[in-house]
Amino acid sequence: DGGITQSPKYLFRKEGQNVTLSCEQNLNHDAMYWYRQDPGQGLRLIYYSQIVNDFQKGDIAEGYSVSREKKESFPLTVTSAQKNPTAFYLCASRSGPSYNEQFFGPGTRLTVL
Amino acid sequence: GQQLNQSPQSMFIQEGEDVSMNCTSSSIFNTWLWYKQDPGEGPVLLIALYKAGELTSNGRLTAQFGITRKDSFLNISASIPSDVGIYFCAGPNKISSGSARQLTFGSGTQLTVLP
Repeated sequence: DGGITQSPKYLFRKEGQNVTLSCEQNLNHDAMYWYRQDPGQGLRLIYYSQIVNDFQKGDIAEGYSVSREKKESFPLTVTSAQKNPTAFYLCASRSGPSYNEQFFGPGTRLTVL
Repeated sequence: GQQLNQSPQSMFIQEGEDVSMNCTSSSIFNTWLWYKQDPGEGPVLLIALYKAGELTSNGRLTAQFGITRKDSFLNISASIPSDVGIYFCAGPNKISSGSARQLTFGSGTQLTVLP
């Protein structure tokens, strides 16, 4: 089945630790995105990537880092510099330049203790 | 930047009732997308609209692309318990460059269906 997978579903970390969230897609999509969602709020863009080895900061990139070494994979690292890392993180992908629709993974809920 | 104002913020309705929600912007959009998010899950695309005045249905859901291109509406007919969730509107961000096609999202409408 084609789709976007995120792992793990739930993640707990101690304050001050870096943590990496996985996002994989087998849709052959070019563009990939990371969003953060806080309770009762909409989606805020962290980073996005249009092609392999290229990525751009979104609206709230501070304290996060990404890589795009393979088309299928776009991991997000939440660093210790992120002041309020506890949130629901969503990965999305888009097929190509002619399309606006983004398709989302199931999300990872990160809790920093 | 562009903002999408989505209303209402929340709705409590009886099972079987029809639902209507809308999204407005001060800027023109050339695409409107409607997503539904179940608790603890990622948003799922319901309907995509590409043309001003367009009316598109997906089962009991109907969405319209406003003629001014600054608004869109989503209607749900004969609501059922599984319609519970958060409904988001979204549109491509004109500020984004090239083919990045970033989306601007509304803040969502939380729908609760009472039995």
